[in-house]
Amino acid sequence: GENVEQHPSTLSVQEGDSAVIKCTYSDSASNYFPWYKQELGKRPQLIIDIRSNVGEKKDQRIAVTLNKTAKHFSLHITETQPEDSAVYFCAASIAYNAGNMLTFGGGTRLMVKP
Amino acid sequence: DVKVTQSSRYLVKRTGEKVFLECVQDMDHENMFWYRQDPGLGLRLIYFSYDVKMKEKGDIPEGYSVSREKKERFSLILESASTNQTSMYLCASSSPVDPSSGNTIYFGEGSWLTVV
Repeated sequence: GENVEQHPSTLSVQEGDSAVIKCTYSDSASNYFPWYKQELGKRPQLIIDIRSNVGEKKDQRIAVTLNKTAKHFSLHITETQPEDSAVYFCAASIAYNAGNMLTFGGGTRLMVKP
Repeated sequence: DVKVTQSSRYLVKRTGEKVFLECVQDMDHENMFWYRQDPGLGLRLIYFSYDVKMKEKGDIPEGYSVSREKKERFSLILESASTNQTSMYLCASSSPVDPSSGNTIYFGEGSWLTVV
């Protein structure tokens, strides 16, 4: 099955700096790559996703890049703010008709210091 | 707005007890999932269901079972709780996928289970 590795497990940055989180996946058939943000005590929520026919996607201060050849994808947060502090999860899946099982990375705890 | 509701946020159970975790979604989603979240291990899939009365094992099904008698409700059952099942359990739901686009899954708030 799919295996997703995520690095780093913790990341501390100064407010205003950029943060980058990287993930690799094992199954070349995976074609959907979402990122979830989980604030303390809250549910994970989708912040951005990318599909295999796209190399990069941007939404304001966050962007995701995908390299299908190398089987890795990354989350980039620019101009970090204290409210960006959370645990971030990457995931990979193969879109099937009947279901869509996401395999998650181990998570990255991002701390933005004011 | 999608709502996935887990009925119990915090539970403390004794070893050997039978435990039910209930999850209800209000978006008529076909797919429902149960994940377990542990520090450093991310979110691991226990079971999922893509239709009423259908269930499929995920990555860590041992010690768990599930029930989906109605489309909106997906229950996780621990037949005989053990201390290594102390964890946070997340329910999620999604609509059937369009193979050309992928889909989004929506999570509940989580149920913190402590087995003593």
